[in-house]
Amino acid sequence: AQKITQTQPGMFVQEKEAVTLDCTYDTSDPSYGLFWYKQPSSGEMIFLIYQGSYDQQNATEGRYSLNFQKARKSANLVISASQLGDSAMYFCAMRERLYNQGGKLIFGQGTELSVKP
Amino acid sequence: NAGVTQTPKFQVLKTGQSMTLQCAQDMNHNSMYWYRQDPGMGLRLIYYSASEGTTDKGEVPNGYNVSRLNKREFSLRLESAAPSQTSVYFCASSEGPGHLEETQYFGPGTRLLVL
Repeated sequence: AQKITQTQPGMFVQEKEAVTLDCTYDTSDPSYGLFWYKQPSSGEMIFLIYQGSYDQQNATEGRYSLNFQKARKSANLVISASQLGDSAMYFCAMRERLYNQGGKLIFGQGTELSVKP
Repeated sequence: NAGVTQTPKFQVLKTGQSMTLQCAQDMNHNSMYWYRQDPGMGLRLIYYSASEGTTDKGEVPNGYNVSRLNKREFSLRLESAAPSQTSVYFCASSEGPGHLEETQYFGPGTRLLVL
């Protein structure tokens, strides 16, 4: 069973607008962490933001925020005021605590975001 | 800051050839990982090393072996390459093991083409 699902293979957004990238997850572990990574065309993986399952507030990092809805098991990434440099592949990932020796991450399939000028 | 380095950056192999992908980190991290990235499938874990001296299988270990040479270095070996192993390979490290919030830092990747 897919543990991390990103249902949007590709998305377009106009420069300066906000965009939401969807991520749903599946786990029975009450303790887990959720991550978003950015992969530009150059190929490197860049960490963006983290949300813990027990965090009371949604995580924010600059123009990035995470819309965490625990009951719905979703952890959507919101990018405000999109810039051309935001064009990239975005990956959602999860780390579980109980069934996870070694801190492994489970990744979704990714969403390719294109920002239009 | 070198972070996580990988060699080579690109490699072409013929079916049946062997090769070793090298990975090193200079962040004094305990945990290291090897992933492969294929179109439409995200990153899948091949092997990981939670700490020096230990290695464990990930989601897709068949056809690969690993060696945690020391705390800094974690190599991935393909003994007999197959076209299905054509992929981009990423090495990553984290402070580890154990903290939910710890970030994994990735190397630049190795593009492998098996003919």
